Amino acid sequence: AQSVAQPEDQVNVAEGNPLTVKCTYSVSGNPYLFWYVQYPNRGLQFLLKYITGDNLVKGSYGFEAEFNKSQTSFHLKKPSALVSDSALYFCAVREGTSGTYKYIFGTGTRLKVLA
Amino acid sequence: DAEITQSPRHKITETGRQVTLACHQTWNHNNMFWYRQDLGHGLRLIHYSYGVQDTNKGEVSDGYSVSRSNTEDLPLTLESAASSQTSVYFCASSLATGGIYEQYFGPGTRLTVT
Repeated sequence: AQSVAQPEDQVNVAEGNPLTVKCTYSVSGNPYLFWYVQYPNRGLQFLLKYITGDNLVKGSYGFEAEFNKSQTSFHLKKPSALVSDSALYFCAVREGTSGTYKYIFGTGTRLKVLA
Repeated sequence: DAEITQSPRHKITETGRQVTLACHQTWNHNNMFWYRQDLGHGLRLIHYSYGVQDTNKGEVSDGYSVSRSNTEDLPLTLESAASSQTSVYFCASSLATGGIYEQYFGPGTRLTVT
């Protein structure tokens, strides 16, 4: 079965510093990988995805993620963190074939950006 | 603009009562999903549907049911609410064609079972 792991429950970073939120995956075949962000009392919002192509994927709000097949990782990054980036971040992988699929989510990483 | 809505946003009910949570999307997506979010567990899949009259069980489906009579709606029913079903529930939809594989989420329903 496909799975994703987010090894850190919480990541703290100072405003202006680069941030990394880690995600590793276990899939059979080519992975479809996603990052979502959740602000308090809100639903999840899509940030970015890797389907195929360039290993560095750019998304919303200045976030990017690097797909590394050999390390089975899809870490979320941002060059300069903002206090407003503080939120809960989820990594997800799509399981199944076209038309008959579902998504497996990690347990989430809480990002705190300190002023 | 297209959207996905959930109602009610907050619900308090008693153990043993039947509860239905509504989900409505105007994206015209075939695929719809229900999740519950609990601390330490992330999002867990309850039920999902690939189209009208299609429903499938997720990893935590016991005590829940869904029906899909049209493209826009996937209501989630708790047959006999239990305290273990106190949670935040999210509905999501996706298209999964034309390079659009991501899910769109509703704002969530916070359910408390007393």
